[in-house]
Amino acid sequence: QQPVQSPQAVILREGEDAVINCSSSKALYSVHWYRQKHGEAPVFLMILLKGGEQKGHEKISASFNEKKQQSSLYLTASQLSYSGTYFCGTGLQGAQKLVFGQGTRLTINP
Amino acid sequence: DTGVSQDPRHKITKRGQNVTFRCDPISEHNRLYWYRQTLGQGPEFLTYFQNEAQLEKSRLLSDRFSAERPKGSFSTLEIQRTEQGDSAMYLCASSLNRGGSYNEQFFGPGTRLTVL
Repeated sequence: QQPVQSPQAVILREGEDAVINCSSSKALYSVHWYRQKHGEAPVFLMILLKGGEQKGHEKISASFNEKKQQSSLYLTASQLSYSGTYFCGTGLQGAQKLVFGQGTRLTINP
Repeated sequence: DTGVSQDPRHKITKRGQNVTFRCDPISEHNRLYWYRQTLGQGPEFLTYFQNEAQLEKSRLLSDRFSAERPKGSFSTLEIQRTEQGDSAMYLCASSLNRGGSYNEQFFGPGTRLTVL
């Protein structure tokens, strides 16, 4: 039931782009993306819903492929502050709990 | 600060002792969630409340765990007879139910529990 994230880790130079994927074997209603820095709480980035509705930060973009039950988070022109572990949390129709993936660790070097 | 707050931030206890954590959600949020996170893993759902009603509890949650939200505001999570396997970060999140089946969950800083 846990979604699978890929890659598990990625290292970039500042200014480079990255894509983080989240796949589920379940028919999803929502996908939520969070970023967590070491020792801190997860910070909400974006929510994507079945049907195409999205809500999140202006500088973050993501997609949700309902046929494949896959979401992708796009990080462009990365900044040092983007470093952290990115989690996707998936929700089913009518369910409130989120099931999180194992995370993708992103390291941005100067 | 109007975010989610949790207390204490750190707790060290001996195996067999009881511990209680507190979560204060964002003031207008009517839903409150508890998650547990171990090193290198994503948060794992434990339970959630809508106002004072506990609407879902994970099947993974043993009977040693109990949570309350008596007045629909703050919540407590109690672990009885702690075990070393209970060592983890306990995260609280809150959200505002707008009537739809989704909502953004905002997390608190967590309580890190270490059971010796």
